[in-house]
Amino acid sequence: EAGVAQSPRYKIIEKRQSVAFWCNPISGHATLYWYQQILGQGPKLLIQFQNNGVVDDSQLPKDRFSAERLKGVDSTLKIQPAKLEDSAVYLCASSLDSGANVLTFGAGSRLTVL
Amino acid sequence: SQQGEEDPQALSIQEGENATMNCSYKTSINNLQWYRQNSGRGLVHLILIRSNEREKHSGRLRVTLDTSKKSSSLLITASRAADTASYFCAGRMNRDDKIIFGKGTRLHILP
Repeated sequence: EAGVAQSPRYKIIEKRQSVAFWCNPISGHATLYWYQQILGQGPKLLIQFQNNGVVDDSQLPKDRFSAERLKGVDSTLKIQPAKLEDSAVYLCASSLDSGANVLTFGAGSRLTVL
Repeated sequence: SQQGEEDPQALSIQEGENATMNCSYKTSINNLQWYRQNSGRGLVHLILIRSNEREKHSGRLRVTLDTSKKSSSLLITASRAADTASYFCAGRMNRDDKIIFGKGTRLHILP
């Protein structure tokens, strides 16, 4: 089966600009996650979707970050305006449902904010 | 905040030796998983151990879990160059069912 697809793989922007990341999960996976991974650290959960509803967004900086999964399949994560500390890899993962234990990750989108 | 804390942060060993990484966590978990991340790539699931299990094997991997000490270890036997990667533990928390990752151990296998 196809894996989790993410784009773009790399993005360089100036601070205060905006950026959007796209994720296509594994077909049939109801649960989709966005993680932020700062260099040298483990992934930190930003938001979790179950189909097109938000299950958890407690660690999403909502003043600048937004995410949607309108049709319960693809998802986009947007940052506006970006700050220097947003430089990180943004990982998308999916699982069969919220109770499934195994997450399948995409390759990630590396963001550099100058 | 991160749930798991791995140690060591970095580990270099000779090819063929065994590598042991440890993970400690703070709150009650339903299960604990280990993932591998090669440089510039996403994480790949390696093995899962449930809270009622003490040890699990998969190929060259051996995982132990001690819920009384809130700790787990991952042993990779007969290491290979391809094992060079970062390894993360991730706990599914009983409190809110979240899967929370630790900071990871960077493993480097020397030829």
